[in-house]
Amino acid sequence: DTGVSQDPRHKITKRGQNVTFRCDPISEHNRLYWYRQTLGQGPEFLTYFQNEAQLEKSRLLSDRFSAERPKGSFSTLEIQRTEQGDSAMYLCASSLKNYEQYFGPGTRLTVT
Amino acid sequence: AQKVTQAQTEISVVEKEDVTLDCVYETRDTTYYLFWYKQPPSGELVFLIRRNSFDEQNEISGRYSWNFQKSTSSFNFTITASQVVDSAVYFCALSDGYGSSNTGKLIFGQGTTLQVKP
Repeated sequence: DTGVSQDPRHKITKRGQNVTFRCDPISEHNRLYWYRQTLGQGPEFLTYFQNEAQLEKSRLLSDRFSAERPKGSFSTLEIQRTEQGDSAMYLCASSLKNYEQYFGPGTRLTVT
Repeated sequence: AQKVTQAQTEISVVEKEDVTLDCVYETRDTTYYLFWYKQPPSGELVFLIRRNSFDEQNEISGRYSWNFQKSTSSFNFTITASQVVDSAVYFCALSDGYGSSNTGKLIFGQGTTLQVKP
């Protein structure tokens, strides 16, 4: 069991550019979650997949954000036309059914 | 609405002291889960414990113990004989209840930064 992995670990981009992050969950975990964490705050839920179906999206997830989980394996989170307010740590977590979630190391996004 | 409050923003103790981190939650669900996660300086959230709403027994794991009191909606975390390696941000979290229809999404508190000095 290699744990949840995320790529890249750090991303610096200019405002207006598109970025894509990848998450590889623990194998056989059917649930996958994306969270966003800003400095000094707890993580905030963004979206949730059960297998390949995206079943819930937070109101935090504007139209510029899109997430996919093709074939119920890895997931991608894309942010279009990035804004400075998008700067944060993006965390991915996976779980088997509704048991405890295991988190990846996160992708730190800096929008300049 | 669901909410988790960790009123202690920062706590500083000297090594070997005991320390308790407070967590108070709000939910209308009758079944739910409570969690504690540790976030060391490296940044990766580490799962510590999950508790379901029907199990109010206290739990002890080594130097860690948890006190769940449904009557006061609290789920406090105590570290006994703290060590420098315990220095981290600790998050309490709440999720909705059982069943495949529940999302299991976590609602986190703002975290408590624990500094253990040698």
